Order: sequence, then C-alpha cells, then structure tokens
Amino acid sequence: NAGVTQTPKFRVLKTGQSMTLLCAQDMNHEYMYWYRQDPGMGLRLIHYSVGEGTTAKGEVPDGYNVSRLKKQNFLLGLESAAPSQTSVYFCATLSSTGPAFFGQGTRLTVV
Amino acid sequence: RKEVEQDPGPFNVPEGATVAFNCTYSNSASQSFFWYRQDCRKEPKLLMSVYSSGNEDGRFTAQLNRASQYISLLIRDSKLSDSATYLCVVTVGGYNKLIFGAGTRLAVHP
Repeated sequence: NAGVTQTPKFRVLKTGQSMTLLCAQDMNHEYMYWYRQDPGMGLRLIHYSVGEGTTAKGEVPDGYNVSRLKKQNFLLGLESAAPSQTSVYFCATLSSTGPAFFGQGTRLTVV
Repeated sequence: RKEVEQDPGPFNVPEGATVAFNCTYSNSASQSFFWYRQDCRKEPKLLMSVYSSGNEDGRFTAQLNRASQYISLLIRDSKLSDSATYLCVVTVGGYNKLIFGAGTRLAVHP
C-alpha cells in the first residue's frame, strides 16, 4: 500500500521551463492538496481539490495550475518556472473524516 | 491575522522535561484539528487528532477548547527523539480546506 506518492522527488529547472508534478494516492480520498514549504516558513496552500474534476485556489496560487481528471491523481503544473518557485512541494490527501496523509515531497530548484 | 497561529520557537528543553505547545485558530467554522510532527523538511506525519474531550497517547496529551478557539499539546518526559517541528492543523469549511500553523520547533538536549 503506497499511500501518497509524489513524482519526481527532485528536479532542477531553468527559468522559463515548464514541468508537472504528480501526486498519486491509493486511499480513495476525496480531498487532495498541494503545498509549498520555504525555509523558515510553514506550509502554504497552493491549490486543492474536493473531488474528481474540481479544483480551487489556496493561499498562493499564482504561477501554478492544477488538474484532477482522475480521483487518484492531482497534478501541479508550472507553465513558466521562476526562481521564486524554488521550494519543497508537498501533496496531501484527506478523507471526509480526516486526518491527512502526505507524500514525501518534491525538491524543486529553479535556476 | 493568520488563520492558525502557534507559539514562536524554538523551545530548548532538557531530556525529561514537560513542554506545552499552544495554537489558536481564527475561523469558528473550523471542524477538525490535528497535531503533526515534521522532521528536517521531511513530510509532516500525524501525531494525533484533537478532540474537545481531550485525548492522550502515551506521553502526549492534546486538548481542544472550541469556545476559546485554542488547541494545546503537552509532551511529558521529553526524549531526544522528540526534537522536531510540531504543526497545528485545522480543517475549515465544507470543503475541508486544510490549514497549517507555521510550526514550533522543539530541541531536546541531554
């Protein structure tokens, strides 16, 4: 039982490049979330989804897009990466009765 | 005002000490409450859920006061392995928006 799996785990991008982070879960949870965490700061919500085909903006959505075409997958896209998007990205899932479970994180560096 | 606020850290305590963390939340519609632990920018891991009746798990006790919008975590007999950042987490609204506090770092020394 893998739980929540994020791919890739590490990535280095050049400014202006695009990429997609994948979060896959096998727990049949309705709710999925993308966070970023920067040094000395807490987790900030980028986007979230309350079910297949739905997405909503979080606290820091600018520069990111998301899609949830299948219940088990939540994709986070960076269309034109910027150095300010250098961060650790975490995906989380939540059932209606909680608690949340996290992927291992993606460490992204934009140069 | 942040939706979830925690004590600023770090807390530096000797082994065996008792340490208490506090957390307040601003949205009275918050529904579920948790404490998570995070080590060295690894993924957060659930420590315990928090209920109004209070709950205990070994050396850890959590308490929720809905009237004051306040959550606490008490760690007794601190171990070196308790050194980590402790995150207060609430879910808000019908869509279960999951909001984190900034975290409080605990360092337990010999």
